[in-house]
This record gives sequence, structure tokens and C-alpha cells, in this order.
Amino acid sequence: DQQVKQNSPSLSVQEGRISILNCDYTNSMFDYFLWYKKYPAEGPTFLISISSIKDKNEDGRFTVFLNKSAKHLSLHIVPSQPGDSAVYFCAAESDTGNQFYFGTGTSLTVIP
Amino acid sequence: SQTIHQWPATLVQPVGSPLSLECTVEGTSNPNLYWYRQAAGRGLQLLFYSVGIGQISSEVPQNLSASRPQDRQFILSSKKLLLSDSGFYLCAWRENGYTFGSGTRLTVV
Repeated sequence: DQQVKQNSPSLSVQEGRISILNCDYTNSMFDYFLWYKKYPAEGPTFLISISSIKDKNEDGRFTVFLNKSAKHLSLHIVPSQPGDSAVYFCAAESDTGNQFYFGTGTSLTVIP
Repeated sequence: SQTIHQWPATLVQPVGSPLSLECTVEGTSNPNLYWYRQAAGRGLQLLFYSVGIGQISSEVPQNLSASRPQDRQFILSSKKLLLSDSGFYLCAWRENGYTFGSGTRLTVV
């Protein structure tokens, strides 16, 4: 049972435009959310996180938005750069704190 | 500084052969350690986690096992590999989110 879902397996965006990656979750007990970026043949690297007590967190070109009522979070990258091309995973942590649940990933391609 | 090492990076093994993937961390003590597998269409699937030496929790029943012989060492094993064990395996430790190793691409032939 996939508790964290990324319904878009791939996304293509022109350089300089905004990339929006979406993630939905089913468990209302999730209280911490993260985005990871992964290049081929490498482990995922942490990108940005958000606690359930907030609805927005910004770090440079990356902003994560959380809509708890809709059980939805999104990652905005603006402006998008070719180096942003990678697979992006969202993850959610339960309030018991011992397991993260990962989405299936969205492959972002930023076209120069 | 805190680092995590995972090896080998790639591995091709015949069906029925044993497996041992090793993960070590540096710069931290008593870390929570995890083995994940990245499966197509399923994201990162938690296989095992360990909160201390000799303490292993299994999330998914399967052909694999894990051991924590030392505080900063976590090993993923199999006695007899199956074709379905092919995949990308990631070790991770948890501290304010997860830090992942570089991964092992396992191909069972």
C-alpha cells in the first residue's frame, strides 16, 4: 500500500521556468516531510524538509508547500536549471518517528 | 565529520549465490541504520532498520537478512539470491532526516 504517491513519473521544464513537483499522502499521522534529489547510480541527497506545523519552507531556489487538509505537498524550483535534472523523491515520517515512507519519484528534465 | 560508506557500488551475482553488502558510518555513535531498496514504480522500500548492536527490525518478509555486528556497521545478506533480488540497495542513517550511502546496483543473473 503506497502511503506516499507521486503521480507524475516524469516532468520536462524549460530552463529558467518554474518546476512544480507534486506529492500526495494518505496518512494524517505523518508530521514531517522531506524532498530528496537523486542522480543515476547515486544515493538520494536531502534537499528540503517541512514540519506539519508549517505550510511553507523556502531554501534558495527551492520551496516546499504543505497543504495538510488536502494531504498534499509540492516542491517548487525557480528558476529551473539543467543541473536540477534528476529524480525527486518525497518522503513522509510518521509521528512514531521510526520510518520514512517514500514516493515513487518524479524524473525532472530541465531543457537548456 | 559524519560520513556513510557503502560497498560495493555494483555487483553481478548468479542465482543461488550468497550476498553480503556492507555499510559503515563514521563520525557518529549509536546511529539508527537502515537498508532500503529502490524498486521500479515503488519508490524506496524499507527492508530493515536497526537502533543498536544486534537489534534488527524487518519491514518486508523476503529472501534477505540484516545484521548489526558493531555500532557503526550494518550488513545486508542473503544465503541464496533470487532473480527478484536485483535492484538498487541503499544504506542510510537517520539524524534530522536521512543520509544515504552511494548505493549498490545488484544484478542477479
